[in-house]
Amino acid sequence: ETGVTQTPRHLVMGMTNKKSLKCEQHLGHNAMYWYKQSAKKPLELMFVYSLEERVENNSVPSRFSPECPNSSHLFLHLHTLQPEDSALYLCASSPTGSMNTEAFFGQGTRLTVV
Amino acid sequence: GENVEQHPSTLSVQEGDSAVIKCTYSDSASNYFPWYKQELGKRPQLIIDIRSNVGEKKDQRIAVTLNKTAKHFSLHITETQPEDSAVYFCAARGGGADGLTFGKGTHLIIQP
Repeated sequence: ETGVTQTPRHLVMGMTNKKSLKCEQHLGHNAMYWYKQSAKKPLELMFVYSLEERVENNSVPSRFSPECPNSSHLFLHLHTLQPEDSALYLCASSPTGSMNTEAFFGQGTRLTVV
Repeated sequence: GENVEQHPSTLSVQEGDSAVIKCTYSDSASNYFPWYKQELGKRPQLIIDIRSNVGEKKDQRIAVTLNKTAKHFSLHITETQPEDSAVYFCAARGGGADGLTFGKGTHLIIQP
């Protein structure tokens, strides 16, 4: 275990549902990230939080809403998703967001939108 | 923003041979270049990284080279073993961005 835990591991939701993904890290890191991993595409950075403040949003649709209540927890709130949003959603953390250090990944949530 | 290109998308080598994966990046301000290995159904894990103040770094059978002038970096795996089979991702960070920009990945297959 790398210290980054994601729940749930698998999620199936309808297009009208509202659900949330949770990420928790016990590494004492100050930066947390959401990535989307789709088949045959690179890992796509969605959101960056550094010291609980969002510092980067790579033009992600508003149906994805992040929340970082403290430096140990990160959520991704989902609503009115589309089938093309089905993917593996990976959370990661690093000691800081501004230094060149390793990002530690969680095991991901496999999301299927039906 | 940063753009990272990775080649090849699939690489098949005989066990014991060497494997080389290449990446290019677009942002000349990028200064951190990690490589991640992702086995089927598992999370990406860092295997080696290099910062812009060095040209080469080695860790046992794995080495990474960086050419800042040409804006490309490569992963070299020698004496490949079956457990090296996985998807490998290169990434770059710098130029003011906090998150890593990843390449599309290389599926490395080690043939027995």
